[in-house]
Amino acid sequence: SQQGEEDPQALSIQEGENATMNCSYKTSINNLQWYRQNSGRGLVHLILIRSNEREKHSGRLRVTLDTSKKSSSLLITASRAADTASYFCATDPIDTGRRALTFGSGTRLQVQP
Amino acid sequence: NAGVTQTPKFQVLKTGQSMTLQCAQDMNHNSMYWYRQDPGMGLRLIYYSASEGTTDKGEVPNGYNVSRLNKREFSLRLESAAPSQTSVYFCASTGLHTGELFFGEGSRLTVL
Repeated sequence: SQQGEEDPQALSIQEGENATMNCSYKTSINNLQWYRQNSGRGLVHLILIRSNEREKHSGRLRVTLDTSKKSSSLLITASRAADTASYFCATDPIDTGRRALTFGSGTRLQVQP
Repeated sequence: NAGVTQTPKFQVLKTGQSMTLQCAQDMNHNSMYWYRQDPGMGLRLIYYSASEGTTDKGEVPNGYNVSRLNKREFSLRLESAAPSQTSVYFCASTGLHTGELFFGEGSRLTVL
């Protein structure tokens, strides 16, 4: 079963607009990460937020984490056509005994020029 | 610096055939992983190796075997391929357990 579920499944915006993607998860976590995947390529790490952090920034990316709601959001500001990709959240669950990340099903972002 | 290298990039098999997907990393990472990606399902963990000499089952290990040949290399074997194993397979590695993962470019497998 998927630990993380992204919402929406697909998002289409105009260049310059902001894009917000959400991730919900089921069990307590050590950290949550966001990855990007361009079509036909491997995943690339974007940002990691630990369970004791509430917000983190990296360039045009802003990630929030609400452990009480078991949810996270990824905000991409001033989007560009080059941001077109799929975005995945991944969690490091505390109590599975498995030392590996669990990925959600992703949000496909299309940025129109 | 190549990062994580997977071979082959593409493969077509017939049902019942066997094959091995190879993965190598040059970042001196301890942990390596095999995931499969199917449309609409994200990535699912097949097997992982937390350190050289150890391997553990993930979420979907049935029909697969792995070998951690040395610190650099982690292979995935399909002994008797089935159409349900048609997928894109990704190898990943990290220096810290459940830290940032570095992914290969994927191996696209079709089983007829």
